[in-house]
Amino acid sequence: GEDVEQSLFLSVREGDSSVINCTYTDSSSTYLYWYKQEPGAGLQLLTYIFSNMDMKQDQRLTVLLNKKDKHLSLRIADTQTGDSAIYFCAAYSSASKIIFGSGTRLSIRP
Amino acid sequence: NAGVTQTPKFRILKIGQSMTLQCTQDMNHNYMYWYRQDPGMGLKLIYYSVGAGITDKGEVPNGYNVSRSTTEDFPLRLELAAPSQTSVYFCASSYAGQEYGYTFGSGTRLTVV
Repeated sequence: GEDVEQSLFLSVREGDSSVINCTYTDSSSTYLYWYKQEPGAGLQLLTYIFSNMDMKQDQRLTVLLNKKDKHLSLRIADTQTGDSAIYFCAAYSSASKIIFGSGTRLSIRP
Repeated sequence: NAGVTQTPKFRILKIGQSMTLQCTQDMNHNYMYWYRQDPGMGLKLIYYSVGAGITDKGEVPNGYNVSRSTTEDFPLRLELAAPSQTSVYFCASSYAGQEYGYTFGSGTRLTVV
């Protein structure tokens, strides 16, 4: 069935760039998303990219999509302590549902 | 502008008890979903609905029931609670078009003892 995979942990130094990677299996996924979950809260949509795009930039966030390899990444420039959270990659599947990865916990070192 | 509202925020149930998790949205979204999130894990879809009167099973529906009598409300019923149902439950909603993604509630943390 459809699957979305991402690494569980990432630690970066404050001020550096964070890159969170994700792979998905459904080649017909039309929309791909990044969600952010802060402690004790629900998931918040950060950004999304349509499958006919290679890149999308929104302030400190850059999303790169490699459709051939079914690989999605989220780059956070100038990472701050407020960026500490769990980041979920998600893909809109051909079964009309969004499939979520297990989340990447981003921690920031001073 | 409430978005998706879930109640209660926390609940402790004894094994065998039943309860209903409430979910209401005020965005006139057709689609609504229930997910559970186990510690350190991603989201698993329990049930979803594409409109009032229509519901369908997700990945992990056993032990749960839903109803969708109105566009706004999508309650999740747990019958005969078991320790395996200890989890955080999230309700979400969306327009039919997927470009907007889902709007999530803040979750209900349920412990079954």
